[in-house]
Amino acid sequence: NAGVTQTPKFQVLKTGQSMTLQCAQDMNHEYMSWYRQDPGMGLRLIHYSVGAGITDQGEVPNGYNVSRSTTEDFPLRLLLAAPSQTSVYFCASSPGLLSTEAFFGQGTRLTVV
Amino acid sequence: GENVEQHPSTLSVQEGDSAVIKCTYSDSASNYFPWYKQELGKRPQLIIDIRSNVGEKKDQRIAVTLNKTAKHFSLHITETQPEDSAVYFCAGPTFSGGYNKLIFGAGTRLAVHP
Repeated sequence: NAGVTQTPKFQVLKTGQSMTLQCAQDMNHEYMSWYRQDPGMGLRLIHYSVGAGITDQGEVPNGYNVSRSTTEDFPLRLLLAAPSQTSVYFCASSPGLLSTEAFFGQGTRLTVV
Repeated sequence: GENVEQHPSTLSVQEGDSAVIKCTYSDSASNYFPWYKQELGKRPQLIIDIRSNVGEKKDQRIAVTLNKTAKHFSLHITETQPEDSAVYFCAGPTFSGGYNKLIFGAGTRLAVHP
C-alpha cells in the first residue's frame, strides 16, 4: 500500500515558468489537500477537494490551480512561478475531514530562481 | 474565521522534563483537534487527537486536553526523551466559507537536551 505519493521530490524553476506537482493516493480517500510549508509559518492550506469534481480555495490560493478529475489524483499547478512560491509542498489525504487522520506525502521541495 | 494560534514557537527542555504546547482556535463550531509531529526532513504524522465530547485523552507519555469554553487545547509530553525533538503542529477544522477545511498552527520546535 503506497499511501500518498508526491512527485517530484525536488524541483528548480525559473521565474515565469509553469509546472504541475503530482499527488496520488491509493486509499480511496475522498478528502485531499495541498499545503505549503515555510519556516516559522507552519502548514498553510492552498487548495483542497472534498471529492472528485469538487475543489475549493484554502488560505493561500493565489498563483495555484487544482483539479480533481478522479478520486486518486489531485495535481497542483503553478501558473507563473515566482520566487515567493519557493517552499516545501505537502499533499495530504483523509477519508473525510473531521475526526480522521490526514496522511501526508513525502513533500516536494520547490525552488524558484 | 480561520485562525489557529500556537505557542510557544520554540521550546527547549531537559530530558525527563515535561513539555506543554498550547493552541487556541476561533471557530466555536470546531469539534476535532489533532496534533501532528514532524521530524527533520520528514512528513507530518498524527500522534494524538481529541474530539469535543471529551476533555482529555492520553496515550502513554503524551496527552491532549481541551477547554471548549476558552477555545484552547494543549499537548502535554511527560518524561521527554531526545527522540521527542521535532516540530509539533496543532490543527483544527474551520467551517467558514466553502466546505470544511483543516487549518494548522504555525508549529512548535521542541528540543530535548540529554
